[in-house]
Amino acid sequence: GENVEQHPSTLSVQEGDSAVIKCTYSDSASNYFPWYKQELGKGPQLIIDIRSNVGEKKDQRIAVTLNKTAKHFSLHITETQPEDSAVYFCAASSPLSNDYKLSFGAGTTVTVRA
Amino acid sequence: EPEVTQTPSHQVTQMGQEVILRCVPISNHLYFYWYRQILGQKVEFLVSFYNNEISEKSEIFDDQFSVERPDGSNFTLKIRSTKLEDSAMYFCASSEGGRQETQYFGPGTRLLVL
Repeated sequence: GENVEQHPSTLSVQEGDSAVIKCTYSDSASNYFPWYKQELGKGPQLIIDIRSNVGEKKDQRIAVTLNKTAKHFSLHITETQPEDSAVYFCAASSPLSNDYKLSFGAGTTVTVRA
Repeated sequence: EPEVTQTPSHQVTQMGQEVILRCVPISNHLYFYWYRQILGQKVEFLVSFYNNEISEKSEIFDDQFSVERPDGSNFTLKIRSTKLEDSAMYFCASSEGGRQETQYFGPGTRLLVL
């Protein structure tokens, strides 16, 4: 099955700087890659996703890039703000039959220092 | 904005007891999921459910687990005879469509088995 690795496990950045989180996946058939943000006491909330027919997607301060050849994708947060502090999870999903599940990375705890 | 809700938020039970975790998915969604997250570990897929039947389940989802949609709004996860290792955060999710549609997560139920 799919195995998603995520790095780093913790990330501390100064407010206003950029944060980058990287994930690799093992199943070359995977073609849907969402990113979730989890704040304390809440469930994961989707912040951005990308499908394998595009290499990059941007939404305001958040962008995701995908390299299918290398089987890795990254989340970029620019101009970080204190409210960006949370745990971020990457995930992957394969189009194989009966495969509806998301396979998650282990998470990155992002701390934005004021 | 519609959201997935879960009850209870916390549940403490004795080993061997049965527990039922409840979820109300987003009303127009057709696919429902349970995931769990053991403390310090990845979010893991348990089961997906569509059209009143299980569409996929993981190896974690053994005979002590069951899911049900008892009415038009609730989606439940039953653990028949809890074990210590069932202690985890359990997340319900729902999606409008199936494969590779955005999954929206609830806030989770923290289950502690003593």
